[in-house]
Amino acid sequence: GQQLNQSPQSMFIQEGEDVSMNCTSSSIFNTWLWYKQDPGEGPVLLIALYKAGELTSNGRLTAQFGITRKDSFLNISASIPSDVGIYFCAGRPSGTYKYIFGTGTRLKVLA
Amino acid sequence: NAGVTQTPKFRILKIGQSMTLQCTQDMNHNYMYWYRQDPGMGLKLIYYSVGAGITDKGEVPNGYNVSRSTTEDFPLRLELAAPSQTSVYFCASSYPGQGDEQYFGPGTRLTVT
Repeated sequence: GQQLNQSPQSMFIQEGEDVSMNCTSSSIFNTWLWYKQDPGEGPVLLIALYKAGELTSNGRLTAQFGITRKDSFLNISASIPSDVGIYFCAGRPSGTYKYIFGTGTRLKVLA
Repeated sequence: NAGVTQTPKFRILKIGQSMTLQCTQDMNHNYMYWYRQDPGMGLKLIYYSVGAGITDKGEVPNGYNVSRSTTEDFPLRLELAAPSQTSVYFCASSYPGQGDEQYFGPGTRLTVT
């Protein structure tokens, strides 16, 4: 089946640092979504991307839809303690209503 | 709008018991999905529906059944619970044409012993 690789799996950073994570696919996607999940909660949508090369921001978060349509990137600037959580990417292949989810990046911010 | 709501929040089942996980959305979304999330893992699609009366299997459908009699509700049925079904279950919904972004419920944490 189609695979979605998300990296890094986990990271510890100092408060105030910038964070980068990415997802790569073995096939072309039409849509990329980025979610954040807090412990015991459902995933919350952060950013949605619909076109190759698209760059979209949501506060301190910026995500990009890769030019090849096989990857996406999420950056968090000036991290704060409440950024702690698991970040998931999800991609939707062409011709389907189904999304494939990455395995998540676990972010821990050290104050 | 309440968004996507799920009940119950927690449940413990004995092996072989059955139960229904409830999911309701009030956003008039056509598409609804059921996922399971095992510890430390991503989300795996169990079943999905593109409208009332239409359902289809996802990646891990074995041991589960669904129905979609209304736009709002999409219950997930476990007939013979097994320990391998211990997981957190999330329901999601989306509306094609509005970006097809999926919105998730808070989840049901199920333990089968």
